[in-house]
Amino acid sequence: GQNIDQPTEMTATEGAIVQINCTYQTSGFNGLFWYQQHAGEAPTFLSYNVLDGLEEKGRFSSFLSRSKGYSYLLLKELQMKDSASYLCAVRDSNYQLIWGAGTKLIIKP
Amino acid sequence: IAGITQAPTSQILAAGRRMTLRCTQDMRHNAMYWYRQDLGLGLRLIHYSNTAGTTGKGEVPDGYSVSRANTDDFPLTLASAVPSQTSVYFCASSPRGGGGDEQFFGPGTRLTVL
Repeated sequence: GQNIDQPTEMTATEGAIVQINCTYQTSGFNGLFWYQQHAGEAPTFLSYNVLDGLEEKGRFSSFLSRSKGYSYLLLKELQMKDSASYLCAVRDSNYQLIWGAGTKLIIKP
Repeated sequence: IAGITQAPTSQILAAGRRMTLRCTQDMRHNAMYWYRQDLGLGLRLIHYSNTAGTTGKGEVPDGYSVSRANTDDFPLTLASAVPSQTSVYFCASSPRGGGGDEQFFGPGTRLTVL
């Protein structure tokens, strides 16, 4: 079966750095996405990786290792507004997105 | 304002009733999707449409039907609602549906079936 694993919840301090991991086992791989979802709101796109390596976008970076079936989202200089759930999703061989359950990130002052 | 709208925002429905969730996008995207989101689970694909006139089944299609008569609209129908269909439903769209296309999500419909 297809499986996306992420930690359920993480806590970090304002101004710090946090890394959210995602491991996947899917039928085929056509890219990995990270989305942010604030409570009660819709998911919004953060990043896309299809090749191995690090993609940097401002305070957020995303890393992919296809051989290890592994990705992480790195958030720097954490702000209170970063409190949200972070969803990892993999596009499979049918070009459909398989979603992880999400990681709830709690930021403390 | 460009984007995706969903209606209703929330609904309480008696079991056995028929219900249509509406979704409209004005971005001229080819692909559209319906997901349900339940606590502790990832988003699960119900149905999708890669282009107007075509639809496909996702991971959890049973009890749901869709149509795609035009580019903008993608309604989701529950023929006879059951309590297990209590969930938050998100409609999404993407320009082409493949590769690095990001999906844009509507605000969601919170459905409770009693």
